[in-house]
Amino acid sequence: GAVVSQHPSRVICKSGTSVKIECRSLDFQATTMFWYRQFPKQSLMLMATSNEGSKATYEQGVEKDKFLINHASLTLSTLTVTSAHPEDSSFYICSAPGQGVKGSSPLHFGNGTRLTVT
Amino acid sequence: AQSVAQPEDQVNVAEGNPLTVKCTYSVSGNPYLFWYVQYPNRGLQFLLKYITGDNLVKGSYGFEAEFNKSQTSFHLKKPSALVSDSDLYFCAVRDSRSGGYQKVTFGIGTKLQVIP
Repeated sequence: GAVVSQHPSRVICKSGTSVKIECRSLDFQATTMFWYRQFPKQSLMLMATSNEGSKATYEQGVEKDKFLINHASLTLSTLTVTSAHPEDSSFYICSAPGQGVKGSSPLHFGNGTRLTVT
Repeated sequence: AQSVAQPEDQVNVAEGNPLTVKCTYSVSGNPYLFWYVQYPNRGLQFLLKYITGDNLVKGSYGFEAEFNKSQTSFHLKKPSALVSDSDLYFCAVRDSRSGGYQKVTFGIGTKLQVIP
């Protein structure tokens, strides 16, 4: 089945530094990927939609200059948290839609990245 | 706007008993409905979906769900719960009228606890 690989699984960084999270579709092409943020005991909050070859679409309230998204190829999207602060500490998850009729295919998720900013 | 409600934060069930995790939804058009399970500190894994056809859909690990259009519900069920089913379950919906890969709306999640 379709596999999405997300790296790193955990990262601890100091306040003010930047962190890059990678999301790869291993056995299929993904022109679109989604980035979510999950707070403890809460649902997934869609941050942005990553589009191959074009700018990402950010959800309302998400700072595009802080959360930089690059979708450089059909199999790779990256999320860079710039100038990270402790309030950015969270669980970040990427996903890509499966093959088949658009919208009816399930999403394939990476295993998530636990970011801790000290 | 589309929305999903999972009215129970947690569901407790004894091992071997049937389980139900509730989900109701709201969309303007016809719904695409999904159930996912999340293991601790992991991404979500797809369990099953309803797109069209039979209202009862079967998925992974013995789970099934019943689409009820009149009640706008898509409850997740399993005839006999296992301790290993204890995880966090998310219901999700997407409006079938939307073109392209429009965003999916997730419920808040229900923690399933199966008691030995």
